[in-house]
Amino acid sequence: DTEVTQTPKHLVMGMTNKKSLKCEQHMGHRAMYWYKQKAKKPPELMFVYSYEKLSINESVPSRFSPECPNSSLLNLHLHALQPEDSALYLCASSQVRGSVYEQYFGPGTRLTVT
Amino acid sequence: GENVEQHPSTLSVQEGDSAVIKCTYSDSASNYFPWYKQELGKGPQLIIDIRSNVGEKKDQRIAVTLNKTAKHFSLHITETQPEDSAVYFCAALSGYSTLTFGKGTMLLVSP
Repeated sequence: DTEVTQTPKHLVMGMTNKKSLKCEQHMGHRAMYWYKQKAKKPPELMFVYSYEKLSINESVPSRFSPECPNSSLLNLHLHALQPEDSALYLCASSQVRGSVYEQYFGPGTRLTVT
Repeated sequence: GENVEQHPSTLSVQEGDSAVIKCTYSDSASNYFPWYKQELGKGPQLIIDIRSNVGEKKDQRIAVTLNKTAKHFSLHITETQPEDSAVYFCAALSGYSTLTFGKGTMLLVSP
């Protein structure tokens, strides 16, 4: 089983709202990732967690706050977003961070900021 | 850092034809090259990958080839079907780094 699940599928939020995106995997993977994808573009890396610790933050604005409560769960907390943050947010996982390990993506959360 | 170029950006074929998508990478230390298929409204799906110690890998109608000397790798789809229509992304991974993606190829297979 190579399934990564994400909730919700769709989210519409105002610029003053606080919301969270959730991601879960039960493959025993110890690396988890958040990506942002705009239409007709490749996924753009935001954060990497390795063994539940934040190892990469690609200069993402502080209105995005990641959290890794345990080895199976990954959250992305959203606050005071801008309309340009509207995108598909993808979660992914791999066995460990680094080379030669497959990275599997979830179905994504389609976020619209109004 | 790594840079991945992908061509073509769009590819239209007739059902039953073959399709080839090509990528080049810049970092000679890259050693893992996955291909993802992304259908509209879905997340990227890993369809095949190749490691730098292998020159070719096949899985039914899909094959990937790697030329380390020239630093390029290609995806080959034979006997294309309408359900192969999607955006395809190549990627490269170097050492303890993260995936670098190509810009994607929109494949359209006409019945």
